[in-house]
Amino acid sequence: ETGVTQTPRHLVMGMTNKKSLKCEQHLGHNAMYWYKQSAKKPLELMFVYSLEERVENNSVPSRFSPECPNSSHLFLHLHTLQPEDSALYLCASSQVAAGVGEQYFGPGTRLTVT
Amino acid sequence: GQQLNQSPQSMFIQEGEDVSMNCTSSSIFNTWLWYKQDPGEGPVLLIALYKAGELTSNGRLTAQFGITRKDSFLNISASIPSDVGIYFCAGTYGNKLVFGAGTILRVKS
Repeated sequence: ETGVTQTPRHLVMGMTNKKSLKCEQHLGHNAMYWYKQSAKKPLELMFVYSLEERVENNSVPSRFSPECPNSSHLFLHLHTLQPEDSALYLCASSQVAAGVGEQYFGPGTRLTVT
Repeated sequence: GQQLNQSPQSMFIQEGEDVSMNCTSSSIFNTWLWYKQDPGEGPVLLIALYKAGELTSNGRLTAQFGITRKDSFLNISASIPSDVGIYFCAGTYGNKLVFGAGTILRVKS
């Protein structure tokens, strides 16, 4: 595997389900990000982990819970979601020393909440 | 917060034509970047700009960091069908990366 991978690519879940999104980066980076992409809106930054510590939480509802067990893996745990949470969830990584600009994205997980 | 105004929102052009899109802001950004997103995929970094006035090319793509540090443009020369997609500008402000809403490019072959 190369680059940034995300699983699953598609997920349909009910509002009472619990599921997790997984991201893995094979670039040797030490910062990882979760973004939400909704139709016709700019990418919304959700969480940032730098050197495995959460450094940013952009007022994201508690029904989204991130986990970064090491610098290569990032999870987003989901529970009791709402239909408006349906979106493309993108993971990205970067090298801290290079700044936040050069981020490399995974293909995303298309989430549908029914 | 800092916002980027990206224009146009969408373009429908003839194959072979040159394309231009831009991003403006009322805030000063330290870095400007351009990404492209194909359907069903994540954004891919095309060009990164680090200094005011910098002009950088990547194949048929050329981007410039405005001298005021409040704008950037991306040009695509001699467009081809595989250029279709959504192009995003992004700027770094402190430790944040802010994205524009995107320009949807459709090419008529």
